[in-house]
Amino acid sequence: DQQVKQNSPSLSVQEGRISILNCDYTNSMFDYFLWYKKYPAEGPTFLISISSIKDKNEDGRFTVFLNKSAKHLSLHIVPSQPGDSAVYFCAASVDGNNRKLIWGLGTSLAVNP
Amino acid sequence: EPEVTQTPSHQVTQMGQEVILRCVPISNHLYFYWYRQILGQKVEFLVSFYNNEISEKSEIFDDQFSVERPDGSNFTLKIRSTKLEDSAMYFCASSGLGPLHFGNGTRLTVT
Repeated sequence: DQQVKQNSPSLSVQEGRISILNCDYTNSMFDYFLWYKKYPAEGPTFLISISSIKDKNEDGRFTVFLNKSAKHLSLHIVPSQPGDSAVYFCAASVDGNNRKLIWGLGTSLAVNP
Repeated sequence: EPEVTQTPSHQVTQMGQEVILRCVPISNHLYFYWYRQILGQKVEFLVSFYNNEISEKSEIFDDQFSVERPDGSNFTLKIRSTKLEDSAMYFCASSGLGPLHFGNGTRLTVT
């Protein structure tokens, strides 16, 4: 049951360019979305979130866009840095409940110097 | 910055044995969770815990699993009789009103 889908298992980007990570969801009840970043041998680290009342949220180099009609969100990283190389997980929840999160499979981002 | 700490980092056990995975959440957090990730699969919610009781659990969290906050600082996940399919990374997390903060995980290997 893939309620949250990250269709690209990996992405490679040149340093300084934009990284765009995509996420699709099927459950129209989802109203809160988060992006987590994970380095090897570490737990996921919260990056940025967006609630369904917004279509954009920005935090420094990271911007999340939400298209509710398409049930699609994306994470933009600009400019990308080698330290951004990690696995990025999209997660979603219902009723603004960030506690029970439904996760995508993750996209492994490699930023090349 | 406060961290969620998990011990051990790697646990190997034989099928049928009991294991206890330990976590120390961030001290002023009120909500505690366990998630797991089987190799190559998604991170999956197991259970959330608030005010000394389970607030929500998934279908995965059956009778062989239990959680406890025995002393006000530790938060444990017990698997009573481990099965091969319990092999996974187990992540503890805690939160206040904001997003979840995760520990680095315990890799459980059931042989």
